[in-house]
Formats: sequence, C-alpha cells, structure tokens
Amino acid sequence: DADVTQTPRNRITKTGKRIMLECSQTKGHDRMYWYRQDPGLGLRLIYYSFDVKDINKGEISDGYSVSRQAQAKFSLSLESAIPNQTALYFCATSDVGSTDTQYFGPGTRLTVL
Amino acid sequence: AQSVTQLDSHVSVSEGTPVLLRCNYSSSYSPSLFWYVQHPNKGLQLLLKYTSAATLVKGINGFEAEFKKSETSFHLTKPSAHMSDAAEYFCVVSDLDSNYQLIWGAGTKLIIKP
Repeated sequence: DADVTQTPRNRITKTGKRIMLECSQTKGHDRMYWYRQDPGLGLRLIYYSFDVKDINKGEISDGYSVSRQAQAKFSLSLESAIPNQTALYFCATSDVGSTDTQYFGPGTRLTVL
Repeated sequence: AQSVTQLDSHVSVSEGTPVLLRCNYSSSYSPSLFWYVQHPNKGLQLLLKYTSAATLVKGINGFEAEFKKSETSFHLTKPSAHMSDAAEYFCVVSDLDSNYQLIWGAGTKLIIKP
C-alpha cells in the first residue's frame, strides 16, 4: 500500500465550484505539504503544515485554503475554482528530523472548465 | 535568495549512451540538493540527495550526481541510458534561507531513442 495517498486522482469541475482534494499518509510524519505542478514551471508550494496546529502559506496560496484534520490528513480546498487553477496537485510529507526529504503522493489532476 | 536552473528543457540520447542532465543552483548557505524523477502519469520519486557529505552522490537506477561548489552545479549523470529512464527530472535545492522548503527547477525531459 502506498504511504501517501491522494483522492481523487482526477477531477473535472466548472468555474465557481468548490473543490476539496484530500491527502492521507501512513508514514507517521508530522509535516505535510501541498504543491501544484504546471508545465515548464516545476513544483510550487501552496501551503505547508508542521503539525496539526501549525499551518503556513507557501509561495502561491491565493485562492486556496487547507485543513489539517489529523496528523495523517491534510486537505486542500479551492473555494471558487477558476480555469488557471487547472494543474497537477501533489501532497507530500516529511519527518521532523529530515524536513527537506519529502515523500510524494501520486498526484491529483484537476481541470477547471 | 536561492534558485535552481536546469539548463536544458529536453535532452535526447540513444539507448546505451551516457546521460548528462545539468543543474545550477544559487544558495547563501550550505544547501541540500536533490534530484527527483517523474515518469509519465506517475508521482515523484527521490533519485538522490546531497547533504554536505561526499560530493559524489550515488542514487537509484545507476544515476549519480556530483556537487561542485566552485561551479554551483549539481549535474546528474548515468553511464548508459535505458529505455526505462525516459521521464522528467527535477533538480531541487533547500537551505536555511528557504526555511528548508524545497525550491524546484523547471524540469528536464529525458528522451531515449532506441
């Protein structure tokens, strides 16, 4: 079984809809991250959480919100989706002792029409 | 501020020939450097990591990278390409300046010709 799982794997939605992407991990890591990947841009950090009570904005947090429901769960929401949020979204985790070694989920491909 | 530049957006090699994927970085502090690989329609897998130990780092699947501080480079190499190496490769840096968050290069797509 995968250590970091994301649901859904693919989603097509319309402009203005609210969307939630979910991430779960069984690695026991305290730190979790959400990234988006756009062609030719690499990955960019949206939000990160160092523990359940600690949420931080990343490079491109506008238009997104997150919820850390438990150590193992970290959700990303788009309150009102827009077409330029069409991208591949990745969740990642890391251990406190090795923060910069991150483990990634399989990704969610989101299309906003 | 730290940054990563992958010098080639695409690299094409024949199967059985050497692979060189180039990466330059900027960092104010002693950085950690990584290479990740993304196969088509798959997630991201860590290939190798440099953290101020040996400057030549060996990774999975026969890949290795050499940290050259004087050249601020961390190029990825493999002696002999295999068809299964076709993927996109990302060079990544983290350091104290970024609060150890990962700063990603734009990626290099490796194409293997039969």
